[in-house]
Amino acid sequence: QVQLQESGPGLVKPSETLSLTCTVSGGSLSNDYWTWIRQPPGKGLEWIGHISYSGDTTYNPSLKSRLIIAVDTSRNQFSLHLTSVTAADTAVYYCAREGRDGYSPSERRYYYYYMDVWGKGTTVTVSS
Amino acid sequence: QTVVTQEPSLTVSPGGTVTLTCASNTGAVTSGHFPNWFQQRPGQPPRALIYTTNNKHSWTPARFSGSLLGGKAALKLSSVQPEDEADYYCLLYYGGAWVFGGGTKLTVL
Repeated sequence: QVQLQESGPGLVKPSETLSLTCTVSGGSLSNDYWTWIRQPPGKGLEWIGHISYSGDTTYNPSLKSRLIIAVDTSRNQFSLHLTSVTAADTAVYYCAREGRDGYSPSERRYYYYYMDVWGKGTTVTVSS
Repeated sequence: QTVVTQEPSLTVSPGGTVTLTCASNTGAVTSGHFPNWFQQRPGQPPRALIYTTNNKHSWTPARFSGSLLGGKAALKLSSVQPEDEADYYCLLYYGGAWVFGGGTKLTVL
């Protein structure tokens, strides 16, 4: 059974880079997308971006200029790097598996997209 | 900017039925948005309930169901239990990127 675990510093200074790692256990990174989501205190969920096992990325347009998501298949990990952080980046950061299923060879598309496995989340505070 | 809108709050009596909806400012929600629904209790990570409109995960209670309704994605809870009190989020796919709705706080009272 796949499990995800976020790790990284809980405190980051303003203007510095926030770096987090998500370690995947009980399975491999292959054939899925791997996603970062965050939740500011008392607020809703925000999709940050995702990466495929082959390294293809899509980012939230509002974060794109400051964001890099990378994958390390040898370590079964993927990571998030957010530069020039401010207090607005204070949040619980979650990693999740984004799966796809029901592939149609004739249509060259998947019929099912899901985000089924989540880490427990890690709290990051941006403060001097 | 893409905005996904949910009811901020709803109240339902135990044993009752309630429907939460999820709308897109780009137009009608379709199966091509692969609507997903999540439940989040205080202090816990979100738990996946429904994927691609109406498909349940193996752990999803039978009283939860998803559909498309009047141009929106919908999550219906039947025979509501006290433990269903939580925040519920929908998630829609826009050709590569995902957008969460603002969430619905469901009170069971």
